[in-house]
Amino acid sequence: EPEVTQTPSHQVTQMGQEVILRCVPISNHLYFYWYRQILGQKVEFLVSFYNNEISEKSEIFDDQFSVERPDGSNFTLKIRSTKLEDSAMYFCASTYSGGEQYFGPGTRLTVT
Amino acid sequence: AQSVSQHNHHVILSEAASLELGCNYSYGGTVNLFWYVQYPGQHLQLLLKYFSGDPLVKGIKGFEAEFIKSKFSFNLRKPSVQWSDTAEYFCAVNEEGKLIFGQGTELSVKP
Repeated sequence: EPEVTQTPSHQVTQMGQEVILRCVPISNHLYFYWYRQILGQKVEFLVSFYNNEISEKSEIFDDQFSVERPDGSNFTLKIRSTKLEDSAMYFCASTYSGGEQYFGPGTRLTVT
Repeated sequence: AQSVSQHNHHVILSEAASLELGCNYSYGGTVNLFWYVQYPGQHLQLLLKYFSGDPLVKGIKGFEAEFIKSKFSFNLRKPSVQWSDTAEYFCAVNEEGKLIFGQGTELSVKP
């Protein structure tokens, strides 16, 4: 069964550093999403992406965040200058039609 | 904007006990509702979904949920839980393509 994959599974970085989280969505899917879950809190929507552009972004998704689909298979989330409060589990999801979303295993980001 | 509330933060049950996890969303209209499960160390997996039609939906692993429009609820049920159901359960509503999640309910099943 096709799966969404994410790399790395765990990323440790120092405050102020740039990080890139990578996702490979299911190949025929058209809609892509990033969510995050801070420890002990709910899963929160960050951004949705369709037709090579951002469809919607949350208040969390400020100028420090960006997304790209550089090569038709990868979908990346970049944080330019990480802050301590960016420490969270980041989930990528994809869907073909905008209905059921398929989630990746997540990347645990730790900012020290 | 939609919000989703899950009433139970942590539920502890013995095997064979019945389960009901509460979920309420904030406002009506046409809603698409989901329950996702996250087993320890694994990713979010879809248990079941409601888009339209029969308000009683059946999912994988013996789970079901009932959509009650008048109560803005979508409670998850299972008649007899197993130790392997130990996981975190998330209710979610689709709002214009994005998912709005509840806080999650951690279920611990004692063998």
